[in-house]
Amino acid sequence: DGGITQSPKYLFRKEGQNVTLSCEQNLNHDAMYWYRQDPGQGLRLIYYSQIVNDFQKGDIAEGYSVSREKKESFPLTVTSAQKNPTAFYLCASSPIVWSGADEKLFFGSGTQLSVL
Amino acid sequence: GESVGLHLPTLSVQEGDNSIINCAYSNSASDYFIWYKQESGKGPQFIIDIRSNMDKRQGQRVTVLLNKTVKHLSLQIAATQPGDSAVYFCAENLIPNFGNEKLTFGTGTRLTIIP
Repeated sequence: DGGITQSPKYLFRKEGQNVTLSCEQNLNHDAMYWYRQDPGQGLRLIYYSQIVNDFQKGDIAEGYSVSREKKESFPLTVTSAQKNPTAFYLCASSPIVWSGADEKLFFGSGTQLSVL
Repeated sequence: GESVGLHLPTLSVQEGDNSIINCAYSNSASDYFIWYKQESGKGPQFIIDIRSNMDKRQGQRVTVLLNKTVKHLSLQIAATQPGDSAVYFCAENLIPNFGNEKLTFGTGTRLTIIP
């Protein structure tokens, strides 16, 4: 089955620690995205990548880092510089050129990150 | 700045009744709108979308209405079922044919279906 896989589903971070969230897709999509979701708020874009070895900051990139060494993978590292990391993190992917079919952005099932 | 918001944060509907979820947007240049459904602990699922050159689009049990005059979007769900209980939120995009980095998401409405 094609889709986006995020792991782990739950993650705990100790103060001063960096943690990495995994996102893998087998949809052959060029573009991948990381969003942060806080309770009662909409999704906010952290980073996005439209091609391998290239990525761009979104609206709330501070305290986060990403890499895009492979088309299928777009891991997100939450660094110790992110002082309020507790949130639900969503990875998504999409084709660069949208065919006009209904769905253009596919989401993973999310990772809940909490601070110990 | 531009924003996408919802009129009501929570909505309870009797099973079998119709529900209407509303969304206001402030950017008159937005060209494309999407409704998502998000169940607890899961990622958002696409429901239906609409371009600004349309005022209505229907799917299976869902209808999206767009009123550009008052910058208002609504999602109608017919004959609601328990599985419809979720958070619904809208998103707008200025450039629908390109990347999603310009998608702006609303805060969501929690729909609860009462058996």
